[in-house]
Amino acid sequence: AQSVTQLGSHVSVSEGALVLLRCNYSSSVPPYLFWYVQYPNQGLQLLLKYTSAATLVKGINGFEAEFKKSETSFHLTKPSAHMSDAAEYFCAVSDLMSGSARQLTFGSGTQLTVLP
Amino acid sequence: SQTIHQWPATLVQPVGSPLSLECTVEGTSNPNLYWYRQAAGRGLQLLFYSVGIGQISSEVPQNLSASRPQDRQFILSSKKLLLSDSGFYLCAWRLAGETQYFGPGTRLLVL
Repeated sequence: AQSVTQLGSHVSVSEGALVLLRCNYSSSVPPYLFWYVQYPNQGLQLLLKYTSAATLVKGINGFEAEFKKSETSFHLTKPSAHMSDAAEYFCAVSDLMSGSARQLTFGSGTQLTVLP
Repeated sequence: SQTIHQWPATLVQPVGSPLSLECTVEGTSNPNLYWYRQAAGRGLQLLFYSVGIGQISSEVPQNLSASRPQDRQFILSSKKLLLSDSGFYLCAWRLAGETQYFGPGTRLLVL
């Protein structure tokens, strides 16, 4: 079974500072990895995904993540935080379930606070 | 383009009452459909998934059930709600590829 660990349930950064949200995964096969963002009382929105192409993946809203196989990591970064980035962020890994369905296994989430 | 709808957006129900949450997807055919629950302070838990009409797989034993009466309709039900059923319920769909796309969610409060 695959698993995802997000280090730090709460991260605070100042506006304009670097955002770094950590994600480590375990997988017995090459993984597909995702970052989703959730604003209060809303569904999850896909930020970016890694599907075995380029190891540096660029997403929406200026976010990017780098797949590092040797470290089993997929950390999310943004060079300069904006107030609107305040939200909860989820890392997820995809594995094959029975039949053709694929399950997303989520980390426990990281709440990002951006300070003025 | 594809869109996913969930209703109601918010629901307050007494313990022991029935539940029906609906999810519909537009703009695609034969998607995989998923129900997740997000409890306060916890991550996302996969409850059910479906690869086709009438095909339901359960991931977690509970007093909830799911049905897929039409290709793009996925319903989450309960005969008697428990306090522990409170949470944020999310429906998602997937077609080709690995990405799941989520609906806006339903906030359920059981009192």
